[in-house]
Amino acid sequence: DGGITQSPKYLFRKEGQNVTLSCEQNLNHDAMYWYRQDPGQGLRLIYYSQIVNDFQKGDIAEGYSVSREKKESFPLTVTSAQKNPTAFYLCASGRRTGRTEAFFGQGTRLTVV
Amino acid sequence: QKEVEQDPGPLSVPEGAIVSLNCTYSNSAFQYFMWYRQYSRKGPELLMYTYSSGNKEDGRFTAQVDKSSKYISLFIRDSQPSDSATYLCAMNRAGGTSYGKLTFGQGTILTVHP
Repeated sequence: DGGITQSPKYLFRKEGQNVTLSCEQNLNHDAMYWYRQDPGQGLRLIYYSQIVNDFQKGDIAEGYSVSREKKESFPLTVTSAQKNPTAFYLCASGRRTGRTEAFFGQGTRLTVV
Repeated sequence: QKEVEQDPGPLSVPEGAIVSLNCTYSNSAFQYFMWYRQYSRKGPELLMYTYSSGNKEDGRFTAQVDKSSKYISLFIRDSQPSDSATYLCAMNRAGGTSYGKLTFGQGTILTVHP
């Protein structure tokens, strides 16, 4: 089945640690995205990548980093510089032509302990 | 002011009711409009996709876009308990780097009770 797989589903981080969230897609989409969701704030764009080896900052990129070495994969690292990392993180992919919607994974819940 | 405003609710209706969910936006460059449904602790799934003013119907769901008023709506007819979820409006511009870069409303929490 085609889709987007995020792992892990739940992640706990200690203060001062970096953690990496995994996102893999087999939809053959060129573009991939990371969104953050907080209660009452909808989804906010962290980083996006239109093609392999290229990525751009979104609206709230501070404290996060990404890489795009393969078309299928777009991991997100939450660094210790991110002051309020507890949130629900959603990875998405999409086309670069035709319809403009994004397709989402099932999310990773990150909690700082 | 946020680019997209959506009443967060919560909205509680009896089974069989007609539900109306709404968003307003300020950026006239938005050309593509979507409604996503999100169940608790899950990723959003696309319900409706439109790119012009007017109505689009899909089963019990109707999406309405009024670009002149910068206003979009989602209507759910004969609502069911399984429709209980958070509904997110989303929109984006045309153009290469805008694909998939969606601007979301805050989401409306809907509960349909039997």
